[in-house]
Amino acid sequence: SAVISQKPSRDICQRGTSLTIQCQVDSQVTMMFWYRQQPGQSLTLIATANQGSEATYESGFVIDKFPISRPNLTFSTLTVSNMSPEDSSIYLCSVEEAGTQHFGDGTRLSIL
Amino acid sequence: GEDVEQSLFLSVREGDSSVINCTYTDSSSTYLYWYKQEPGAGLQLLTYIFSNMDMKQDQRLTVLLNKKDKHLSLRIADTQTGDSAIYFCAESIRATNKLIFGTGTLLAVQP
Repeated sequence: SAVISQKPSRDICQRGTSLTIQCQVDSQVTMMFWYRQQPGQSLTLIATANQGSEATYESGFVIDKFPISRPNLTFSTLTVSNMSPEDSSIYLCSVEEAGTQHFGDGTRLSIL
Repeated sequence: GEDVEQSLFLSVREGDSSVINCTYTDSSSTYLYWYKQEPGAGLQLLTYIFSNMDMKQDQRLTVLLNKKDKHLSLRIADTQTGDSAIYFCAESIRATNKLIFGTGTLLAVQP
């Protein structure tokens, strides 16, 4: 299956700042997704990253807060903007391959 | 709406079988998945079942799907301490490919 690398693996940030998370895949994939896992919770889909067009956001998530780039079929970024302590979560990217979704190890983000 | 429920906690003794249950509401699911999350780690895809199947076996793992009752289960035979983790079921929504995750079940294996 595809190997998914996320950077950074963890970070501690100050409130009001922004952080960009990178997701690199070792093969070309059509579908890439970004999820959030709040502490002690399940995963919630933020958006589908579309190659060459704007991301498709789920209800409750907006582009101004979570801008996403997808410049090619192997790479995507998620930015968490103007962070507050409520944004402290694990952010995971996933890719679809042969009908199944595989996840990176996630980025553990803490906002002080 | 889409909703996936799991029991929160399961404790078993090493060597016993574990059964983790999941109920879902969307009848248009194409695939149903089981993921494992160990502490501090990402999600590992364990197994999955296509929605027109009743059962799938993969070594120590058996997945049962009751589509009529919208009930999915994961049985782990000969449970080991290394199986201690949170297990998430997820359904794939037709035409969107997005996953709806369950609430997660914490499996604790006692030696």
